[in-house]
Amino acid sequence: EAGVTQFPSHSVIEKGQTVTLRCDPISGHDNLYWYRRVMGKEIKFLLHFVKESKQDESGMPNNRFLAERTGGTYSTLKVQPAELEDSGVYFCASSPSGTGGRYEQFFGPGTRLTVL
Amino acid sequence: AQSVTQLDSHVSVSEGTPVLLRCNYSSSYSPSLFWYVQHPNKGLQLLLKYTSAATLVKGINGFEAEFKKSETSFHLTKPSAHMSDAAEYFCVVRYSSASKIIFGSGTRLSIRP
Repeated sequence: EAGVTQFPSHSVIEKGQTVTLRCDPISGHDNLYWYRRVMGKEIKFLLHFVKESKQDESGMPNNRFLAERTGGTYSTLKVQPAELEDSGVYFCASSPSGTGGRYEQFFGPGTRLTVL
Repeated sequence: AQSVTQLDSHVSVSEGTPVLLRCNYSSSYSPSLFWYVQHPNKGLQLLLKYTSAATLVKGINGFEAEFKKSETSFHLTKPSAHMSDAAEYFCVVRYSSASKIIFGSGTRLSIRP
């Protein structure tokens, strides 16, 4: 069974440009999460989808970030316009439905975003 | 506030000696606790999890952790370190009604030959 995949693995863009990150969760997983690790800091929660609905987006830093999950399958995270402080590693994770918080989340390898 | 603290940012041990990575969480009813490992250029992999069953949890690669409610701790141990254990380890907590998980700051484990 394929794990969580993320694309691209690494993106280098200039300040002010737009970048779109993609996450493909494990097939059948209704829960999809985005996290971010800025250099030298903890991994922080960004948001949580249940199928195509945003369950919790309390971690989204500002309105330059837009996450979508059309059709409840893959998800995209767009940063527009990118700023220097957006640099970091963006992780995606998924978990099955009905987990009640007691089951693990399966993580992708992350996308390393560098904003110059 | 709900939080998790990893007490050491870097731990270095000799190959074949015991490993102890410390983790404390803020007290709450029925937390679920996890340890994840990240090897260089790889994704986060689950080592083990505690979800209110046995307090001593065994994971992969010889790691185990003990949930101690009185100390609000969930330290990760391994009797004998191997070179392949060199990685960054994250203690993670999820409180029962929350959708998000909270990461510790990570502990980088180095193994000396």
